Amino acid sequence: QKEVEQNSGPLSVPEGAIASLNCTYSDRVSQSFFWYRQYSGKSPELIMSIYSNGDKEDGRFTAQLNKASQYVSLLIRDSQPSDSATYLCAVNFSGGYNKLIFGAGTRLAVHP
Amino acid sequence: EPEVTQTPSHQVTQMGQEVILRCVPISNHLYFYWYRQILGQKVEFLVSFYNNEISEKSEIFDDQFSVERPDGSNFTLKIRSTKLEDSAMYFCASSAGPNTGELFFGEGSRLTVL
Repeated sequence: QKEVEQNSGPLSVPEGAIASLNCTYSDRVSQSFFWYRQYSGKSPELIMSIYSNGDKEDGRFTAQLNKASQYVSLLIRDSQPSDSATYLCAVNFSGGYNKLIFGAGTRLAVHP
Repeated sequence: EPEVTQTPSHQVTQMGQEVILRCVPISNHLYFYWYRQILGQKVEFLVSFYNNEISEKSEIFDDQFSVERPDGSNFTLKIRSTKLEDSAMYFCASSAGPNTGELFFGEGSRLTVL
């Protein structure tokens, strides 16, 4: 059974701080990893994808992947109240037609 | 910006009734999906669809579920005989490629089965 695990939170950070969100997954042969943001009552929205070990930066967001440890993380720099949402880690286990397995999500609350 | 649109936004139905949820994917996308999210739970894969046939389906997608693309633009999910446990938000998504993981989700159709 392929699993994606996340701490449900809430993770509370002050405005301007760095928020660090973590995710582990069960299958060593997984190929691609994604972070989606979901505001309450809304649909998931892709914010980052990462395919190889190391860091990938896009604006205030940095995704980090460590395949040996089966670990992927998302850092949000200069957190804003508008970043308050649930962050979903998703893994495309190899061979799937975008059969993404989602974690339960980590709820982030950025307070002014 | 192109988007995936879904109708209805909310449907209430009686147990045992048939329901059809409709989606218009992004026009140049070729891969289509249905996911669902029971309130407070994970987003779950139901089915992927390409070239007018199912590419992959999950164990949730049993004989009560079907999908089709009847007219080249709409992509529908039919639940033949709804059960209480089918109550969920159903998300349609589309993508340009088969394994990118870069899905564009619609706003969802909330199904309530009474």
